Amino acid sequence: EAQVTQNPRYLITVTGKKLTVTCSQNMNHEYMSWYRQDPGLGLRQIYYSMNVEVTDKGDVPEGYKVSRKEKRNFPLILESPSPNQTSLYFCASSYIGFSDNEQFFGPGTRLTVL
Amino acid sequence: QQQVKQSPQSLIVQKGGISIINCAYENTAFDYFPWYQQFPGKGPALLIAIRPDVSEKKEGRFTISFNKSAKQFSLHIMDSQPGDSATYFCAASPKTGGFKTIFGAGTRLFVKA
Repeated sequence: EAQVTQNPRYLITVTGKKLTVTCSQNMNHEYMSWYRQDPGLGLRQIYYSMNVEVTDKGDVPEGYKVSRKEKRNFPLILESPSPNQTSLYFCASSYIGFSDNEQFFGPGTRLTVL
Repeated sequence: QQQVKQSPQSLIVQKGGISIINCAYENTAFDYFPWYQQFPGKGPALLIAIRPDVSEKKEGRFTISFNKSAKQFSLHIMDSQPGDSATYFCAASPKTGGFKTIFGAGTRLFVKA
């Protein structure tokens, strides 16, 4: 089954404790992206990657890191989480092509930073 | 900052009615305008999308109307059903600069049976 998987689905942590949220896709997509979803703000892009070893900042990259060492994986790293990073996070992937830019989203990771 | 402004924030429609959600954008470099549907506890999923070379696209009960000169686009849901109750996001992405996608703030639609 074609899908984007994220782990963990739920995470409660404390300020300053480094964490990683994993994202993996099995569709051989070149493009992957991370978003955070907050009430009233919609989805805001954190980082995106056009291919292996190619990453770029979205609109809200502060406090986050990403890496793209393999095509299928795109982990999101919070080196020192803070309470304002409490949010619902989505990973997405897409084929890159003129006519088909549909992004496929994972199920989400709900993060609470105390 | 590039923005996509979406309205209304919430919408209540009677079953069988028409739901209309509007979006406006600023950057004329945007080249792809999708609408995503999100059910509670799920990730967004593409509903329908349009490129600026057409003014309207219809898929079943869902239609996108696109006004390039006004930099606006809207989603129309005909014969709205309770199963359409969800949050809808419009989005835009540019033809250059990779896939820096900008989403609207979302509209929570509730269709009354």
